[in-house]
Amino acid sequence: EPEVTQTPSHQVTQMGQEVILRCVPISNHLYFYWYRQILGQKVEFLVSFYNNEISEKSEIFDDQFSVERPDGSNFTLKIRSTKLEDSAMYFCASSVRAIIGHNEQFFGPGTRLTVL
Amino acid sequence: TQLLEQSPQFLSIQEGENLTVYCNSSSVFSSLQWYRQEPGEGPVLLVTVVTGGEVKKLKRLTFQFGDARKDSSLHITAAQPGDTGLYLCAGRFKNAGGTSYGKLTFGQGTILTVHP
Repeated sequence: EPEVTQTPSHQVTQMGQEVILRCVPISNHLYFYWYRQILGQKVEFLVSFYNNEISEKSEIFDDQFSVERPDGSNFTLKIRSTKLEDSAMYFCASSVRAIIGHNEQFFGPGTRLTVL
Repeated sequence: TQLLEQSPQFLSIQEGENLTVYCNSSSVFSSLQWYRQEPGEGPVLLVTVVTGGEVKKLKRLTFQFGDARKDSSLHITAAQPGDTGLYLCAGRFKNAGGTSYGKLTFGQGTILTVHP
């Protein structure tokens, strides 16, 4: 069964460093998302991406964050200068479409980001 | 900001008992999804409900979507230890212009423990 994959599973970095989290969405999906989950808190939306551009972003997704689809399979989230509060599980998700009423999003296993 | 309230936060029951988890909002959902999440993993999609009053069944799990599309419930019949886990509801809302975007808003989750 097709699934979303993410690498690495765990990333440890120093505050101020740049990190790139990688995702391979399900192959026939057209919409891609990043969410994060701080330990013990809700899953929070960061950004959605369609047709090589951001379609929606949350207030969390500030100038330190960027997303890219560098080729036909990967979808990346870059954090330019990590802060302690960026420590969280980051989930990539994808869906076939995002039309009203239909948006089954399938999630990857997550990348645990630890900022020291 | 649309909020989604999920209750109860914790549920501890004996094997064989029935249980219901609730998901409510003051805003209308365009669709709602239920997920199950294991520790350290991504949410796994259980079901999507779209139409007001809709009922979907997945073995011993019954999902209902309220007539006004502002609430949903997950009912588990004869719970088993294998049902233990975190259950999440996640909804899509229409904006003021009537458009529904792909962003999912998650509830805080219900941690279910089924004791043998």
